[in-house]
Amino acid sequence: DQQVKQNSPSLSVQEGRISILNCDYTNSMFDYFLWYKKYPAEGPTFLISISSIKDKNEDGRFTVFLNKSAKHLSLHIVPSQPGDSAVYFCAASGKDNFNKFYFGSGTKLNVKP
Amino acid sequence: DAGITQSPRHKVTETGTPVTLRCHQTENHRYMYWYRQDPGHGLRLIHYSYGVKDTDKGEVSDGYSVSRSKTEDFLLTLESATSSQTSVYFCATGQDFITEAFFGQGTRLTVV
Repeated sequence: DQQVKQNSPSLSVQEGRISILNCDYTNSMFDYFLWYKKYPAEGPTFLISISSIKDKNEDGRFTVFLNKSAKHLSLHIVPSQPGDSAVYFCAASGKDNFNKFYFGSGTKLNVKP
Repeated sequence: DAGITQSPRHKVTETGTPVTLRCHQTENHRYMYWYRQDPGHGLRLIHYSYGVKDTDKGEVSDGYSVSRSKTEDFLLTLESATSSQTSVYFCATGQDFITEAFFGQGTRLTVV
């Protein structure tokens, strides 16, 4: 059973608008969360992370929000650009094994010009 | 970016044959991982290593073995390939305690 879930396989957004990608997790031991971006025929690349002691982390156009009580995190991209079109994976690791990462199934973002 | 090289990049093999995929890193990272990517499943951890000769199982380790005799090399072996092991395999490395993992470009394996 997947411990990290991304329930939206795809998302389409107009250029300049906000993209919101969602992720849910079930393991209460998870306390470090990451987002990766993946282009076709390439490996995933790290985008942004957040530790459970925070509820928000911002890096340029990318912001990750963490709601621990709901076991939910989201990635906001503002403004969205066509170059952001990719598959986004969320990942988590836990207090019991910090360097063991569990990934969601991914959300394919399409930003339309 | 961490220097991570996966070989081969593409391979077609027959059911029942053994296959070894290689991951080589130049960054002296302690942690190394093997993931497989399948539609609808995302990235699933097969095995990982936390040091030379120190390995542990991930979520989907059945049918796979690994070895790490040097810091820079992590080998993934499919002992007897099956069609269900057709996938894209990614190697990743991690520097230390709670840092992100860096991924290689992937190996597309087809078992016919």
